[in-house]
Amino acid sequence: DAKTTQPTSMDCAEGRAANLPCNHSTISGNEYVYWYRQIHSQGPQYIIHGLKNNETNEMASLIITEDRKSSTLILPHATLRDTAVYYCIVRDGSSNTGKLIFGQGTTLQVKP
Amino acid sequence: NAGVTQTPKFQVLKTGQSMTLQCAQDMNHNSMYWYRQDPGMGLRLIYYSASEGTTDKGEVPNGYNVSRLNKREFSLRLESAAPSQTSVYFCATGRDRAWDQPQHFGDGTRLSIL
Repeated sequence: DAKTTQPTSMDCAEGRAANLPCNHSTISGNEYVYWYRQIHSQGPQYIIHGLKNNETNEMASLIITEDRKSSTLILPHATLRDTAVYYCIVRDGSSNTGKLIFGQGTTLQVKP
Repeated sequence: NAGVTQTPKFQVLKTGQSMTLQCAQDMNHNSMYWYRQDPGMGLRLIYYSASEGTTDKGEVPNGYNVSRLNKREFSLRLESAAPSQTSVYFCATGRDRAWDQPQHFGDGTRLSIL
């Protein structure tokens, strides 16, 4: 089962920052938080991941709370093309497979 | 740089037919994965290959076989297709199985079994 909880859906105005929350209260010390998104009919797209420090790349920023029980993905200037389902995933460090466990995700609708 | 390429993109089969889904990557990654995605169920791991020459079962391997042909290619075969195998199939690759390395996905094969 997915180890994360996300809101089912969110709206964001085009050009504004989109802040997507995720709760992962049972995360273990060596487990990473990953974010992927899936735009309709495409494969999941990797966005960013982190362990305990905040991370930033060309797509987004990831803010992880100090107790690591929650995180927020920030898209700084959302565009219509950012409309997608966003998945927050805690990577299972005990798994031999390295598999990703996708939950239901948050459907982000960016509106003009 | 194509990344992860899956063929075909769409396929319709009749029950009992066989087919092979192809996946090729140019990322020089060691690990490759096959997932299936069904409505309301998220992605489920079918098979994976930690490195060239090795394959292992995932959560839902029944009805499928795989071949890691070389480092670049990982194929998924349905020997006798069943309607329950109607799904979207995604191939993914990772530098290795380590959980600090992201996986990268292809755009999927949409398979319908009639």
